[in-house]
Amino acid sequence: QKEVEQNSGPLSVPEGAIASLNCTYSDRGSQSFFWYRQYSGKSPELIMSIYSNGDKEDGRFTAQLNKASQYVSLLIRDSQPSDSATYLCAGTNSGGSNYKLTFGKGTLLTVNP
Amino acid sequence: GAGVSQTPSNKVTEKGKYVELRCDPISGHTALYWYRQSLGQGPEFLIYFQGTGAADDSGLPNDRFFAVRPEGSVSTLKIQRTERGDSAVYLCASSLMRGGLDTQYFGPGTRLTVL
Repeated sequence: QKEVEQNSGPLSVPEGAIASLNCTYSDRGSQSFFWYRQYSGKSPELIMSIYSNGDKEDGRFTAQLNKASQYVSLLIRDSQPSDSATYLCAGTNSGGSNYKLTFGKGTLLTVNP
Repeated sequence: GAGVSQTPSNKVTEKGKYVELRCDPISGHTALYWYRQSLGQGPEFLIYFQGTGAADDSGLPNDRFFAVRPEGSVSTLKIQRTERGDSAVYLCASSLMRGGLDTQYFGPGTRLTVL
């Protein structure tokens, strides 16, 4: 059973702080990873994708991937109250079903003004 | 441009009834996916279409669930003899083509409630 594990939280940070969200995955063959943001009652919205080991930065967001440790993280700098949402980590399956995303349960982030 | 659209946004039905959920993907996207999200969980894969054919239906829970995409665009997820355990948000996503590098764009979902 391929799994993606996330701390369900809630994670609470003050406005302006760095929020750190973490994710581990069991499928060693997973190649691509995605962070989705989901506001309550809304659909998942892509924040970042990462395919190679190392860091990838986009504005206030930085994704980090370590395939040896099977670990993915998302850092949000200068957190804003509008960042308050559930963050879903997802990885593609290995082999011939690499179109299939396996999601974690999500981490609820609250940014306090 | 227009994103993925799904109808209805909410569906309430009685146990044992038949329901159809519709998905209209982003224009030009050949790949279409259905996921199901229960409360407090991440989305779970149900089925994947590449064009008109269901390339992978391994996530469908049982034979009460069926999905079609007859013209390679709009897809319909069909659930027969609904059960209370089918209550969830059904999400549709589309991407340009098959492949792990594709970004899947999600629609707003259909919230199904089986009474």
